[in-house]
Amino acid sequence: EDQVTQSPEALRLQEGESSSLNCSYTVSGLRGLFWYRQDPGKGPEFLFTLYSAGEEKEKERLKATLTKKESFLHITAPKPEDSATYLCAVFQYNFNKFYFGSGTKLNVKP
Amino acid sequence: DGGITQSPKYLFRKEGQNVTLSCEQNLNHDAMYWYRQDPGQGLRLIYYSQIVNDFQKGDIAEGYSVSREKKESFPLTVTSAQKNPTAFYLCASIGSGTPNTEAFFGQGTRLTVV
Repeated sequence: EDQVTQSPEALRLQEGESSSLNCSYTVSGLRGLFWYRQDPGKGPEFLFTLYSAGEEKEKERLKATLTKKESFLHITAPKPEDSATYLCAVFQYNFNKFYFGSGTKLNVKP
Repeated sequence: DGGITQSPKYLFRKEGQNVTLSCEQNLNHDAMYWYRQDPGQGLRLIYYSQIVNDFQKGDIAEGYSVSREKKESFPLTVTSAQKNPTAFYLCASIGSGTPNTEAFFGQGTRLTVV
């Protein structure tokens, strides 16, 4: 069964405490893996697209990596404004389906 | 918002009433998607459309209907058959150009049954 699983469900960090969020997938025919940030009551905000194993992308304190079975979103020295829910999604060839994980809710305390 | 506009932002529906949520994009994307998000949960796919005049059911299509008469527009109707419509509805579009695939969301419509 095609599936996207994110862990942990929730993560509390102190400001400056680096960590990683995980997204594992069993979707066949990966066309792209997407990371989004979602603030309460708003639509998801695009962060990265990764296409092939070994690929890495960075934006400010965020760095996304991709292997054949999972992706990591590394957060370096996070700040309170990084608090949000981070969503992972997989876009599939053939059927053009766009599968989402359930998200990781990040809370960064000052 | 990446060029996708959802309206209205808030919508109230009476029992037994049909309501239509609007989604318009000016990104020239072929594929458009509707998702439902319940509190503390991920996004569940309702319907998606890869080209004009064609659309497919997602995982929770019962009680919903869509149309795709124009490339820019993909409205979602929540019918009276949807027993629990209170949720946050999100529309997305995807452009599968070379070399990049981009996917953006609107800001959502919060639907409440009154």
